[in-house]
Amino acid sequence: QSALTQPASVSGSPGQSITISCTGTSSDIGAYNYVCWYQQHPGKAPKLVIYDVSNRPSGVSNRFSGAKSGNTASLTISGLQAEDEAEYYCSSYTSSITYVFGTGTKVTVL
Amino acid sequence: QVQLQESGPGLVKPSETLSLTCTVSAGSINTNYWTWIRQPAGKGLEWIGRIYTSGITNYSPSLKSRVTMSVDTSKNQFSLKLSSVTAADTALYYCARNYQGGFDNWGQGTLVTVSS
Repeated sequence: QSALTQPASVSGSPGQSITISCTGTSSDIGAYNYVCWYQQHPGKAPKLVIYDVSNRPSGVSNRFSGAKSGNTASLTISGLQAEDEAEYYCSSYTSSITYVFGTGTKVTVL
Repeated sequence: QVQLQESGPGLVKPSETLSLTCTVSAGSINTNYWTWIRQPAGKGLEWIGRIYTSGITNYSPSLKSRVTMSVDTSKNQFSLKLSSVTAADTALYYCARNYQGGFDNWGQGTLVTVSS
């Protein structure tokens, strides 16, 4: 199975909003509402920031929001802050009873 | 919240078997799925597979022929074995807890290098 497709990089100024896309197929993103997003700072383990398309775990800022349309999911970070600079990965459950990750997006705060 | 800690050899010879254990603390391993994920240096995340506390497993198709997972509920541990390793298996290996459609608690990761 192929990795989900994400843009390699996205940037924005403090206070702005950015959106990261994650494109899959009708066998993964399009089939289930099991899309998640992870934030990974250098040298750290990934941290879950969105689960099941649009739900935020306890303790995650409400500046993070998720959505899905067809085979594409998206993560929006509003009010961008310096601490949001990190690598972001999407993931999806698949019809093969497996999981697949996205290619990763480097977010830079200008 | 539950904590996970990977352990195992940091160096494995080519063609041998990589063996890692994940110890779950501050919570029970029961009635949940537990997952292994790896990340080569400077690259993205790759899902290896998951195991339920009953022993039911699901593996990545690309690794299925070489992967075996097991669980020991008495020790609150689950394990990964990857056979016939090559340099391409060199990576940071994470264990994680399945939560809803993803993974909410992760270990810190353990680096495994395949080299003679």
